Amino acid sequence: QITLRESGPTLVKPTQTLTLTCSFSGFSLESTGVGVGWIRQPPGQALEWLALIYWNDDKRYSPSLKNRLSISKDTSRNRVVLTMTNMDSVDTATYFCARDGGLGTWFDPWGLGTLVVVSS
Amino acid sequence: SYVLTQPPSVSVAPGQTARITCGGNNIGSQSVHWYQQKPGQAPVVVVYVDTSRPSGIPERFSGSNSGNTATLTISRVEAGDEADYWCQVYDTHTDHYVFGPGTKVTVL
Repeated sequence: QITLRESGPTLVKPTQTLTLTCSFSGFSLESTGVGVGWIRQPPGQALEWLALIYWNDDKRYSPSLKNRLSISKDTSRNRVVLTMTNMDSVDTATYFCARDGGLGTWFDPWGLGTLVVVSS
Repeated sequence: SYVLTQPPSVSVAPGQTARITCGGNNIGSQSVHWYQQKPGQAPVVVVYVDTSRPSGIPERFSGSNSGNTATLTISRVEAGDEADYWCQVYDTHTDHYVFGPGTKVTVL
């Protein structure tokens, strides 16, 4: 059974850097074609893809946020970490991580998500 | 960047058929994936690669994709199908993932 779980702060202050961790089990990020991505969803709004890291350490970023994002993986600990700099209130959202099992295809499954509020 | 369009809402009576469209330039040449999201839950894929259905997803959910429009069809709609539905593609030109703006399905 494949599971993913997001963890990190629930509240960050404006201008701070957000660090989120995705811990997963049931698959290996060393398997060819596999990737783990991050998607966010502001309250009542649409899904927005943020970043993804592949098994071979190749990385992709949303063009609108690429200057603020960094994604990395710790294969031995089955973790993927996303950092987002210079947080603002508009970044308040539920942040999901999810597996892409097919080298740029669809996300399945997803973690439950973690709500991050940006407020002073 | 690639842009997807969806109707904000679709209303359907129980037992009827709901059709949710996802528009994009020559989307028929892309693989389209559909997610269902119920309040407070994470999205779940209901159709992938245009027409494939994951195990556990009822046969009532089906997909098609041609030209500039992909469609998710929910047959014999049930109250439990009330949710937000999102289409998604992987833009091979930019290697970016793109989500549609979402459609809220209301069962009357």
